[in-house]
Amino acid sequence: ELKVEQNPLFLSMQEGKNYTIYCNYSTTSDRLYWYRQDPGKSLESLFVLLSNGAVKQEGRLMASLDTKARLSTLHITAAVHDLSATYFCAVDISHQGAQKLVFGQGTRLTINP
Amino acid sequence: KAGVTQTPRYLIKTRGQQVTLSCSPISGHRSVSWYQQTPGQGLQFLFEYFSETQRNKGNFPGRFSGRQFSNSRSEMNVSTLELGDSALYLCASSAWGVVGEQYFGPGTRLTVT
Repeated sequence: ELKVEQNPLFLSMQEGKNYTIYCNYSTTSDRLYWYRQDPGKSLESLFVLLSNGAVKQEGRLMASLDTKARLSTLHITAAVHDLSATYFCAVDISHQGAQKLVFGQGTRLTINP
Repeated sequence: KAGVTQTPRYLIKTRGQQVTLSCSPISGHRSVSWYQQTPGQGLQFLFEYFSETQRNKGNFPGRFSGRQFSNSRSEMNVSTLELGDSALYLCASSAWGVVGEQYFGPGTRLTVT
């Protein structure tokens, strides 16, 4: 059974600092996505990573994918309070068009002034 | 373009009752997936429909069922509700042949008492 593990699960950091969230998964896949969820809200797509070595950046967030290591990272640079949210990685194991995502447990990120 | 819509947004039911949730995908999207989110189990895949056919199913009991209509709108039904069915139910839609772009709706918050 596919396992997707994020760490850390909880992260409290100060504004201005850098940190990385890790997402490890246990099966072959070259498609991985990152989502953000604010309390009581739905999932907002952040990054779509579709191949080994893919790197995407948006503002203070950068995501990368290493399919050989089955590892994706979400790096936060110079954190600001607005980035406080829960971040999920999701491995796409869709087969022959039938869609299916397996999510990590989520990383609850709190950024303190 | 309007996003994914889900109705109702909030629902309170009693154990033993049944419930039907509705999801309208983005116009032109023919794939609809359903996910359950709970604090204990996280985000779990329920099922996916495409052109009125269920193409993929997660590990949920038969009390959970769904269907899709010819206009791509989807419903999921949970019969004989249990306390553990209290969750946020999210649906996501995607266009055929487009990898990686799943758009999530706002969710239906179901509380079973």
